[in-house]
Amino acid sequence: QVQLVQSGAEVKKPGASVKVSCKASGYTFTSYYMHWVRQAPGQGLEWMGIINPGGGSTRYAQKFQGRVTMTRDTSTSTVYMELSSLRSEDTAVYYCGRSPNYCTDGVCWFAPWGQGTLVTVSS
Amino acid sequence: DIQMTQSPSTLSASVGDRVTVTCRASQSISSWLAWYQQKPGKAPNLLIYKASSLQTGVPSRFSGSGSGTEFTLTISGLQPDDFATYYCQQYNSYPITFGQGTRLEIK
Repeated sequence: QVQLVQSGAEVKKPGASVKVSCKASGYTFTSYYMHWVRQAPGQGLEWMGIINPGGGSTRYAQKFQGRVTMTRDTSTSTVYMELSSLRSEDTAVYYCGRSPNYCTDGVCWFAPWGQGTLVTVSS
Repeated sequence: DIQMTQSPSTLSASVGDRVTVTCRASQSISSWLAWYQQKPGKAPNLLIYKASSLQTGVPSRFSGSGSGTEFTLTISGLQPDDFATYYCQQYNSYPITFGQGTRLEIK
């Protein structure tokens, strides 16, 4: 079955970077776009960006431009999200989510989602 | 950016009730709307896509309707497992945006 498994929780100091992974299985990795969404404690969902695992192209929300980098490793069917210059407001659970392969440019709904990775930014 | 506004923010209901959650978009998004259910400590789970299409495996008591700027999620015959937070999401254009969520609690 389709499964997305994310890396474990991280604790980082302000100014540091974090890299979260999302390993896909059960489908052809390069045929489906992958998105990243985050959720601060007690808050709603915030879309961060998308990567096309096939060609590696990316699109980021303007809020994160310059601080986020999404990459992929086709040999391990894994996508990565790296966020730099961390601040306390970046404390959140980060999710990856797959979108159907028939949606133009990947703008679509997400199913399934990874289990989430808690990133805590604290001095 | 397209703003998504859900109402109410919190909804109190009893098992067996029929409840409706509304989601309004700041501009027309045709039918490019999805609904998710999220339980504490878990990832969101897709319920409805394209405004009214039921995701495989989702119980038929969930239904969605609407187009343009106004959408609704209806749960007919609430079950104990349905008490959770619900989010709408537009995918008409980038950036993808979500409503702020509706928490469904037991009365």
